[in-house]
Amino acid sequence: AQSVTQLGSHVSVSEGALVLLRCNYSSSVPPYLFWYVQYPNQGLQLLLKYTSAATLVKGINGFEAEFKKSETSFHLTKPSAHMSDAAEYFCAVSEPDNFGNEKLTFGTGTRLTIIP
Amino acid sequence: DAGVIQSPRHEVTEMGQEVTLRCKPISGHDYLFWYRQTMMRGLELLIYFNNNVPIDDSGMPEDRFSAKMPNASFSTLKIQPSEPRDSAVYFCASSRTGDGYTFGSGTRLTVV
Repeated sequence: AQSVTQLGSHVSVSEGALVLLRCNYSSSVPPYLFWYVQYPNQGLQLLLKYTSAATLVKGINGFEAEFKKSETSFHLTKPSAHMSDAAEYFCAVSEPDNFGNEKLTFGTGTRLTIIP
Repeated sequence: DAGVIQSPRHEVTEMGQEVTLRCKPISGHDYLFWYRQTMMRGLELLIYFNNNVPIDDSGMPEDRFSAKMPNASFSTLKIQPSEPRDSAVYFCASSRTGDGYTFGSGTRLTVV
């Protein structure tokens, strides 16, 4: 079974500063990994996904994530934070369930606050 | 593509009443998921369908909850009778095999 751990339920960064949101997974097989963003009063929106191609994955809104097998990590970064980045971010891993279907397991989320 | 469409966006109902939430998945997607999100429990998977067939309903909290998918373009989640602890945001999501999920905008349910 796989799981995903997001370190830090709340992260605050200053506008223009680096954003780093941490995600670690446990897996015995190469995983598919995802980052989602949820803005207030909206559903989750796919930011980016890793599917065993390039280890550095670029997503929307200037975000990117790097798959590091040796560290079992898939941290999300953005060089310069904007006020509009304030949201909740979810890491997810795809795993086969007991019925043989690929299913996403979500982390508990990290709320990102941007300080003006 | 209009995305995953959920209705209603907001629902306020009295305890004991029946509530029906609706979802139209993206055309061509063969999976449909129902999630519940609360501050206390976060994002919980309630049930999912593959090709309109319910696969895993182990996340459905009680017999008061039921879900159907009569065809590839429509699903419902019903709560009967509703209770205040059912108050939450309910999301529907759909996907194709091997892809990430596309979520709807959710239904905010308040049971008073």
